Amino acid sequence: DAGITQSPRHKVTETGTPVTLRCHQTENHRYMYWYRQDPGHGLRLIHYSYGVKDTDKGEVSDGYSVSRSKTEDFLLTLESATSSQTSVYFCAISDIDRDPSGNTIYFGEGSWLTVV
Amino acid sequence: DAKTTQPTSMDCAEGRAANLPCNHSTISGNEYVYWYRQIHSQGPQYIIHGLKNNETNEMASLIITEDRKSSTLILPHATLRDTAVYYCIVRVATYIEAQGGSEKLVFGKGTKLTVNP
Repeated sequence: DAGITQSPRHKVTETGTPVTLRCHQTENHRYMYWYRQDPGHGLRLIHYSYGVKDTDKGEVSDGYSVSRSKTEDFLLTLESATSSQTSVYFCAISDIDRDPSGNTIYFGEGSWLTVV
Repeated sequence: DAKTTQPTSMDCAEGRAANLPCNHSTISGNEYVYWYRQIHSQGPQYIIHGLKNNETNEMASLIITEDRKSSTLILPHATLRDTAVYYCIVRVATYIEAQGGSEKLVFGKGTKLTVNP
């Protein structure tokens, strides 16, 4: 296992409420990612981070924000949750500086979010 | 970004070799081929990756054609626990000097492998 912990693992929330998902890593990896997975769409990148306070958008970033104040934590926030954000969210980490031959990305176990 | 094409589903008998193909005809010279799998309700699991040479580890072998336009993941002795969705991914890397580098993986739909008793 890659030392990635996601919390909460399961959450049900109401439309319009803010939600924050946390990803914590113990590997001291530089890069962290948030993906969502939906039937028929596979895994899609939401946001990623290449260092503390350095983040960038992925392909489905609308409605999401992220923050990374420490190397080990990457937070994903839904400011006002909508039903379309019901999904499984995966955090991932990598570190190209340590693995120049391939930069393997490792995934967490997922957070199941239901917006009702 | 290089795209990959995989069959939607495949079946394999337990104990037999499972050969999962992937086409990546637009791959660039510095892009790696990665394989991941995802067992139901779990996070994607890294299997193997390669650039141009064939690779083998404790889980699988990766065969990349000489022109690098396709590859095959081989599970030598498939078990029921190998039933999963297998993703072939080409690494997309963009390097920004100021920040050092950024890295993304583009996932497709994958191949649903069912290992039958």
